[in-house]
Amino acid sequence: GAVVSQHPSWVICKSGTSVKIECRSLDFQATTMFWYRQFPKQSLMLMATSNEGSKATYEQGVEKDKFLINHASLTLSTLTVTSAHPEDSSFYICSAREYMNTEAFFGQGTRLTVV
Amino acid sequence: DAKTTQPPSMDCAEGRAANLPCNHSTISGNEYVYWYRQIHSQGPQYIIHGLKNNETNEMASLIITEDRKSSTLILPHATLRDTAVYYCIRGAAGNKLTFGGGTRVLVKP
Repeated sequence: GAVVSQHPSWVICKSGTSVKIECRSLDFQATTMFWYRQFPKQSLMLMATSNEGSKATYEQGVEKDKFLINHASLTLSTLTVTSAHPEDSSFYICSAREYMNTEAFFGQGTRLTVV
Repeated sequence: DAKTTQPPSMDCAEGRAANLPCNHSTISGNEYVYWYRQIHSQGPQYIIHGLKNNETNEMASLIITEDRKSSTLILPHATLRDTAVYYCIRGAAGNKLTFGGGTRVLVKP
């Protein structure tokens, strides 16, 4: 299957700082990318959908000013967690889908710990 | 609203076939059925998807009932490395994928 790479795999940051997570599609052009969050022992929760060159669409209850998503190219999307707090500690996962293909491929995830 | 129903957990014996059921009784005509699995602390891995015909690949087979209200994922020869949470998801092509609770599969020696 296609490869989606996330960076970093894990990050620890202090409260009040911002953290950027990158998601890259390595062997295909991703017209649509998705960002999920997963808390321990829970399922994945969709945060937002982004299409290349346009603003992200956020799910209900997700603060767009706190979770900044940029999808500036067909191979790269970034999620920035601004003014991070301990409750933002979670496993963040991106997914990418190529136009006209139906399956989405997932990155390996980024474990964020805010201290 | 994940719109699919799966048993929360199941055990299966190593080397035997594992049959994972999924109910999607309100599926629309343009919605596919996707299966992913997630091994602990990793991103979900794509397994297979289908619209109405049965599908098979190197990982698994997908059997979709004629009325499309349910499906079964078959792992032909389960190994210990198949222990994971398996998610059945429905969605139209290109649309977002919403995850439900999944089935926690434990393959036992």
